[in-house]
Amino acid sequence: DGGITQSPKYLFRKEGQNVTLSCEQNLNHDAMYWYRQDPGQGLRLIYYSQIVNDFQKGDIAEGYSVSREKKESFPLTVTSAQKNPTAFYLCASSPGQRLYEEQFFGPGTRLTVL
Amino acid sequence: GQQLNQSPQSMFIQEGEDVSMNCTSSSIFNTWLWYKQDPGEGPVLLIALYKAGELTSNGRLTAQFGITRKDSFLNISASIPSDVGIYFCAGPQGAQKLVFGQGTRLTINP
Repeated sequence: DGGITQSPKYLFRKEGQNVTLSCEQNLNHDAMYWYRQDPGQGLRLIYYSQIVNDFQKGDIAEGYSVSREKKESFPLTVTSAQKNPTAFYLCASSPGQRLYEEQFFGPGTRLTVL
Repeated sequence: GQQLNQSPQSMFIQEGEDVSMNCTSSSIFNTWLWYKQDPGEGPVLLIALYKAGELTSNGRLTAQFGITRKDSFLNISASIPSDVGIYFCAGPQGAQKLVFGQGTRLTINP
């Protein structure tokens, strides 16, 4: 089945450690996105990529890094520079063929930094 | 930047009741999207609206694209327990991104 997978579902890390969250899609979508969700809040865009080997900062990129070496993969690294990394992280993708189009989300990774 | 305001922020209803929620923008949108997020999961697209005045249904859900293009509405008829979750509206921010509202959390008492 086509879809977006994120792993792991739950992740625990010690303060000061970098951690990489996985996002893979087999929908053949060009565009991929990373969002952060905090309790009681909406989704805030961290990074997005419209095409392989290219990505742009979103609204809250500080303390995060990404890569887009393959069309189907868009990993997110939460660095030690991110002051409040504990959150629910969501990856999404869209076909990238139209300007305004719906995004499809993965199941999310809940990161807890101890 | 653009902001979306959803109302109400939370709702507590009885099973079987109808639900209405809305989303307003400070600027004009050409697309409105409505998502639902189950607890601990990623949002799922419910309805997409592309034209002012458009009224679209998906089962018991009906969404409308406001005439002013600055608002959208989502109605759920005859609510059931599986309707519980957070409902988000979203619209385009520039050419490549979406902006999301803060969500309406729906709780249903059986």
